[in-house]
Amino acid sequence: AQKITQTQPGMFVQEKEAVTLDCTYDTSDPSYGLFWYKQPSSGEMIFLIYQGSYDQQNATEGRYSLNFQKARKSANLVISASQLGDSAMYFCAMRESQNFGNEKLTFGTGTRLTIIP
Amino acid sequence: DVKVTQSSRYLVKRTGEKVFLECVQDMDHENMFWYRQDPGLGLRLIYFSYDVKMKEKGDIPEGYSVSREKKERFSLILESASTNQTSMYLCASRTQGQLTPWANVLTFGAGSRLTVL
Repeated sequence: AQKITQTQPGMFVQEKEAVTLDCTYDTSDPSYGLFWYKQPSSGEMIFLIYQGSYDQQNATEGRYSLNFQKARKSANLVISASQLGDSAMYFCAMRESQNFGNEKLTFGTGTRLTIIP
Repeated sequence: DVKVTQSSRYLVKRTGEKVFLECVQDMDHENMFWYRQDPGLGLRLIYFSYDVKMKEKGDIPEGYSVSREKKERFSLILESASTNQTSMYLCASRTQGQLTPWANVLTFGAGSRLTVL
């Protein structure tokens, strides 16, 4: 079973509009972390935002915010006022704590976001 | 300001050749990872190392081996390359620190795109 599901393979959004990228996850571990990474055409993965399972508030980093709905097991990324430079591949990832310290990140299949001028 | 360096951005090899992918990080991180990225499959973990000379299999270790003789260097080895190993390979590193969630953030290299003919 998929642990991280990103159901939108591609999205087209008008510049300056807000965009929501969907991510659902599956875990029975009470302690976990959720990450979003951006991969521009250059190939390098860039960390955007992190949400811990025990965090009381939704994470925010500049124009990025994470809409964390624990009961629904969703961690959607919201980008406000999109810019042309936001065009990239976006990956959601999860860290579980079963082997804390040696644990790995599990990634989703990604969403390709294209911002239209 | 480069922190994780992958020695080759593009490689073309022939079936049966031995292939070395090198990764060096300058952040004194304990943990290092090799991921493979394929369209529609996201990133899949091949191997990771949580310390020098330590290694753990990831989700898809078959056909690969790794070497970590020094803390800063983590090498991925394809003993006998096959066409189904044509892919983008991403190296990442992370501090072992467990006291803050940001310790789990992976820093990635720019990737190595391998084509096996």
